[in-house]
This record gives sequence, structure tokens and C-alpha cells, in this order.
Amino acid sequence: NAGVTQTPKFQVLKTGQSMTLQCAQDMNHEYMSWYRQDPGMGLRLIHYSVGAGITDQGEVPNGYNVSRSTTEDFPLRLLSAAPSQTSVYFCASSYGWEGGYGYTFGSGTRLTVV
Amino acid sequence: EDQVTQSPEALRLQEGESSSLNCSYTVSGLRGLFWYRQDPGKGPEFLFTLYSAGEEKEKERLKATLTKKESFLHITAPKPEDSATYLCAVLFGGGAQKLVFGQGTRLTINP
Repeated sequence: NAGVTQTPKFQVLKTGQSMTLQCAQDMNHEYMSWYRQDPGMGLRLIHYSVGAGITDQGEVPNGYNVSRSTTEDFPLRLLSAAPSQTSVYFCASSYGWEGGYGYTFGSGTRLTVV
Repeated sequence: EDQVTQSPEALRLQEGESSSLNCSYTVSGLRGLFWYRQDPGKGPEFLFTLYSAGEEKEKERLKATLTKKESFLHITAPKPEDSATYLCAVLFGGGAQKLVFGQGTRLTINP
């Protein structure tokens, strides 16, 4: 039982490049979400999904795209990387979006945009 | 504006010295308050969910309480392995996206 798996763990991009951050969970969780964590800012929600085929925007969605074709996978795409997107990105999943069961977080992807 | 504020930003204690961390919130329609623990280089780990004022939850040396305006995470006789950043998050409003995290309290327990 791997939980929530994020790849890669570290990535350096040049401004303007695109990439996809991968997130997979093996717990059959319906709810999945992406957060970014910046010093002094706390965790901020980027996009979330309440089930396969359903996604919606969070607090800071600009510059990011998501899709949810299967229950297990929820990739985050950076369309044209900018230095402001330098951050640590966390994927999380839960049985329900209420969060009462507790979100399970991945170990994070540390992204640097130069 | 909906806000979640944690204090102090950092706290250093001696092993065995009990204390409390605070999470205050100004949101409309609170639906749940969550505490997480985060170790360096790792994702947050779920600790507790509290739903209504007066509710309490316990786990080992940790006890979380909730009032209408704030939550406390009490740490009793802490050990060095309790050192971590503790995050508070509040779920409110009518949509699944409205989970707001505080900035965290970095707790260090010296042996």
C-alpha cells in the first residue's frame, strides 16, 4: 500500500518550459487535490477533483491545468513555467472531500523555475 | 476575509515541558477544523478533525480542543520526536475547495 505517490521529487525548469507533475494513489479515494506550499504563505489549493472526470479550480489555479481520467491519477500540468511557480507542490487524497477522514498527502515535488 | 492564524510561529521547549499551540479563525460557516503534523521534507500527516465547539480529541501526548473562535493543540510532556511543524486547516462555506491552512507552528523539543 503505497498511499499517495508523487514524481518527480525535485525538478528544475527554465522559464517558459512546460512539465507535468505526477500524482497517483492506490486507496480508491474519490477526492484528490493539489496544493503549493511557500514560506510564510501556508498551503494553498490549486485544483481539486471530486471524482474521475470532474475537476475544479482552487485558490491559485492560474498557470496550471489538471485532468482526472482515472480514480488513481491526478496530474498537474504547468503550461509555461514562471519563477513565481517556484514552490513545493503536494498532492493529497481523501475518501470524501469533507476532509473528516483526513487528507493523505504525498511527499511533495520541489520545483525551481530559473 | 476568511483567515486562519496560528501562533506562535515557532516554539522551543525542553523535553517534558508542556505547552499549547493556537489556531484562530475568522470564517463563516465552519464545517471542520483539522490538525496536521509536517516533518521536514515530507507531506503533512493527518492528526485530528474537530467539528463543533467543545469537542476534544486526543492522541498520545497531543490533545486538540475547539471553541467558536479558536482551537488549541495541547502537548503534554513532549519528547524530542514531537518536534515538527504543526498545521491547522479550516473547512468552511459551501464548496469542497474552501479548506484554508494556517502558516504553521514550528515546534522544537530539546532533550
